[in-house]
Formats: sequence, C-alpha cells, structure tokens
Amino acid sequence: RKEVEQDPGPFNVPEGATVAFNCTYSNSASQSFFWYRQDCRKEPKLLMSVYSSGNEDGRFTAQLNRASQYISLLIRDSKLSDSATYLCVVKNRPGTASKLTFGTGTRLQVTL
Amino acid sequence: DAEITQSPRHKITETGRQVTLACHQTWNHNNMFWYRQDLGHGLRLIHYSYGVHDTNKGEVSDGYSVSRSNTEDLPLTLESAASSQTSVYFCASSDLRDNTGELFFGEGSRLTVL
Repeated sequence: RKEVEQDPGPFNVPEGATVAFNCTYSNSASQSFFWYRQDCRKEPKLLMSVYSSGNEDGRFTAQLNRASQYISLLIRDSKLSDSATYLCVVKNRPGTASKLTFGTGTRLQVTL
Repeated sequence: DAEITQSPRHKITETGRQVTLACHQTWNHNNMFWYRQDLGHGLRLIHYSYGVHDTNKGEVSDGYSVSRSNTEDLPLTLESAASSQTSVYFCASSDLRDNTGELFFGEGSRLTVL
C-alpha cells in the first residue's frame, strides 16, 4: 500500500461547481499535511497547509480526519484557472522537508 | 526577486553517458533537494542537503550523486545514464528554520536517455 494515495482523476467539472478531493495516508503517526498545486508541465507550488481544525483560504477548504487517516480539499465556485493537478503531501516526522511524501496527484479540469 | 533555476531544461542523452543537471538558488536556503517525477509515482526524493558539504541519500539515490560546495548550488550527476532515468527532475529548496511543508521548486529538467 502506498504511503499517500489519491484518486488520479481527472475530475471534469463545469465552472462554478464545487469539487472535493480526498487523500488517504497509511502512517498513523504522520505529523503534518499539505496540498500542493501543479500546473501542466510546471513545478509544484504550495497551495495550503492542512490544520487539525480545518482551514479555509478563499474558495479553498482543507480538512483533516486523523481517525480515518485522510485529508480533503474542497474547491468552491471553480474557475477555469483552477485546472491543475493537486498533490497531497504528508510529513511523517518532525524536521525539515526531507521527510515529505508526495501523492501522485489528482487532476482537475474545469470547463466552460 | 529570489529564485531557483535549473539547467538544462531539456536534455537528450545516450545510455552510459555522464549527465549533470544544475540547480542554483538565490533564496540563501540551507536545504536543497532533488526529486524525480514519473507517471504513477509522484515526486520521489533522490538526494538532499542541509548545508555546505552535507549530502544525504533519498529513497531513489542509486545511480545519482550530488555535491554541495556552496549554499547556492546543488548539481545532480548521473554517472552513467540509464533509460530508467528518463524522467522530469525537480530541484527544490527550503529554509533551515522552516518546519512547514513549503518547498520552492525550480521549473524542472526533462531528461531523456536513449
């Protein structure tokens, strides 16, 4: 079983729709969680961290469920510019970013 | 503006050749990393460095080496390129004191080994 698993998609949604992605992780001792965004043929960029209490950044909401070992990303009012691959990232140990494990990503395509 | 740059952006080489991918950052970050990204595998860590003269193996280090002679540069060398090393390579950096998950990535180097 992979340490971090994501549905590869693609998720095809119309503009204005709400879409949610889940990501499961296998290590119950995982410390920190993040969502990165990667545009086609570009480098990944940090979208947001995921806090235990859940957190929101504009149209984006991230949640963590430690009991079921998954994190989620909700995008409201989807824009064409949201089309990208969303990478789930887990840090299993304290320390620097060398302890990050990346999921394979979920591709989102927002259409007119 | 501070940045992280990789070169070359695209390279085609032959099996058995030595290849070096350059990575240069002006963030003054202590931590630097090399990842490869392949379909179905996500980003996998090759080597990383926490500072000058420090290098460490990641999960897929076989066939690769790095050296860190200054803060700004972490070149990745493939001593004898193999077709299995055809991939997109990303260099990244982060601040030593930063315990978050934020990595700053270069634009990537697409390597094809024929």
